[in-house]
Amino acid sequence: GAVVSQHPSWVICKSGTSVKIECRSLDFQATTMFWYRQFPKQSLMLMATSNEGSKATYEQGVEKDKFLINHASLTLSTLTVTSAHPEDSSFYICSARAVQGSRSNQPQHFGDGTRLSIL
Amino acid sequence: KNQVEQSPQSLIILEGKNCTLQCNYTVSPFSNLRWYKQDTGRGPVSLTIMTFSENTKSNGRYTATLDADTKQSSLHITASQLSDSASYICVVSAQAGNMLTFGGGTRLMVKP
Repeated sequence: GAVVSQHPSWVICKSGTSVKIECRSLDFQATTMFWYRQFPKQSLMLMATSNEGSKATYEQGVEKDKFLINHASLTLSTLTVTSAHPEDSSFYICSARAVQGSRSNQPQHFGDGTRLSIL
Repeated sequence: KNQVEQSPQSLIILEGKNCTLQCNYTVSPFSNLRWYKQDTGRGPVSLTIMTFSENTKSNGRYTATLDADTKQSSLHITASQLSDSASYICVVSAQAGNMLTFGGGTRLMVKP
């Protein structure tokens, strides 16, 4: 089955540090990848949609200069949390959708998430 | 506004018992509905997907139903196991777009 790998799975760093999270589709190509944020006991909240070769589309209220997204290839998207602060601590999850087929019927395959803790 | 509501928010059952989780949605135009299982600290994993014309879909001990008229879905878990303890998320996709609408999830705990 389709596998999405996310790295790192857990990171702890000091306030002010920038953190990069990678999302890779291992056995399929993905023109579109999605970045979500999840707070404890809550569901996933879409942050941005990452399209290969073009600028990401951010959801309302998400600072694009704070959360930098790069989707340089069909198998890799990165999310960089710049100058992270304690309020950025959260569980970040990416997902990827395969290239072919109708967009709405192609499933999103989720990574295992990255737990970010900012001290 | 597209919305997906799940009930109950949390549920505790004994191992071996059955349970049913509910999902009501107002997403339009409807494309498909998926149930995901999310273990603590992990990403969601798809259990079932149903389109407009499908009423029921099974995946092992998981059976999902869909009533497109009333815009309701359920996930029935048979003979629960300790490993079923997780959050179950109902996700509805609108047609012709990226938009997924997530339910708030049901946190299931199966006790021995």
